[in-house]
Amino acid sequence: DTGVSQDPRHKITKRGQNVTFRCDPISEHNRLYWYRQTLGQGPEFLTYFQNEAQLEKSRLLSDRFSAERPKGSFSTLEIQRTEQGDSAMYLCASSLSNTGGPANEQFFGPGTRLTVL
Amino acid sequence: AQSVSQHNHHVILSEAASLELGCNYSYGGTVNLFWYVQYPGQHLQLLLKYFSGDPLVKGIKGFEAEFIKSKFSFNLRKPSVQWSDTAEYFCAVKTGANNLFFGTGTRLTVIP
Repeated sequence: DTGVSQDPRHKITKRGQNVTFRCDPISEHNRLYWYRQTLGQGPEFLTYFQNEAQLEKSRLLSDRFSAERPKGSFSTLEIQRTEQGDSAMYLCASSLSNTGGPANEQFFGPGTRLTVL
Repeated sequence: AQSVSQHNHHVILSEAASLELGCNYSYGGTVNLFWYVQYPGQHLQLLLKYFSGDPLVKGIKGFEAEFIKSKFSFNLRKPSVQWSDTAEYFCAVKTGANNLFFGTGTRLTVIP
């Protein structure tokens, strides 16, 4: 499968614990996005990378959240001191930017469902 | 701030019925518009997109959408739905930023 992959698919943790999720984008894609989706809502943007540079962060991304893309390939999203309100589906997407070209489709992964007890 | 409204939260149709799902956005500048679909147990997939040109765009599986700039709308249509169209449908807008703004989604249930 050459699509976007995410690991783990499900994570259950206790409040206060740290968790880390991984996203592997489509190999030639230079842009990588993180979104969060809660029940009954559409995905909400968290942050995005172009290659290894984190270019944009949403106000939703509190200090407890950190994302990295060290080599411009896979990315990790870490949540420190998890809270029950962090329970959500965390989605990763990737796209190939082409400056001056048409809108670039974002391809989504299956998501990581986080449950904080 | 940009926002996307999908007024239909849950739509129930019989097979062969026609479908129209509403999507309105608030942003005064140039937009790119998308409809994504999420089938049960699967990840988000692109149905269709609009970025310029003909405001009537055709997507996969017989879906189409019409961009009406004066109404800030991008409604999704299909003349005859099938049971396999049962899914959640999300409208999304991309403005000058690189991220997508999604609506809350519309759950479509098609009864055989």
